[in-house]
Amino acid sequence: DIQMTQSPSSLSASVGDRVTITCRASQTISTYLNWYQQKSGKAPKLLIYAASGLQSGVPSRFSGSGSGTDFTLTIRSLQPEDFATYYCQQSYSTFTFGQGTKLEIK
Amino acid sequence: EVQLVESGGGLVQPGRSLRLSCAASGFTFDDYAMHWVRQGPGKGLEWVAGISWNSGIIDYAGSVRGRFTISRDNANNSLHLQMNSLRAEDTALYYCAKDSRITMIRGVVGYMDVWGKGTTVTVSS
Repeated sequence: DIQMTQSPSSLSASVGDRVTITCRASQTISTYLNWYQQKSGKAPKLLIYAASGLQSGVPSRFSGSGSGTDFTLTIRSLQPEDFATYYCQQSYSTFTFGQGTKLEIK
Repeated sequence: EVQLVESGGGLVQPGRSLRLSCAASGFTFDDYAMHWVRQGPGKGLEWVAGISWNSGIIDYAGSVRGRFTISRDNANNSLHLQMNSLRAEDTALYYCAKDSRITMIRGVVGYMDVWGKGTTVTVSS
């Protein structure tokens, strides 16, 4: 099974900051990597698919990059509504999620 | 409006069974693979099971294989999860999610683009 490891597990930042979350796969997955945002008490929401594709309706301050085993999610100029937990997910072989990164207000 | 609505959750004793359902609307249900994803209390997301459009490809997480059965009824736009031999560690919020693909195959980009709100399963004596 492919394991996904996110870092950091939690992160404190301020409105307006630029934030980067990383995700590493236990084996190469090309660009079969997705990112989701989950707010407290809500279902996950797709942000980025195929490593860098921006899902329709998602603000352009969100971006993704990477291929192979190492990937990043970047949020440029944090907004109050961006404080949430973020998950990466590989779709190279069925699906596996990372453990999540909780983004909190500093 | 594209929508997934889960039902069937509840409190059940260890070793017993429960059947979850997911009603889909607003899209052509039999054009897409579907999945169940769960989230334990205070924990992260765990993919549980997936099924292709025609039920030809089915897969399970190792933690549930042999105990859970995923199925779909395309005539009624519904997805199901039969959960047997339930354990305390199966306690979670169970989400139904739509795949972007018709089936789960390598070489085709796949992601979960529509999610339900979830149904809660509690396994306790």
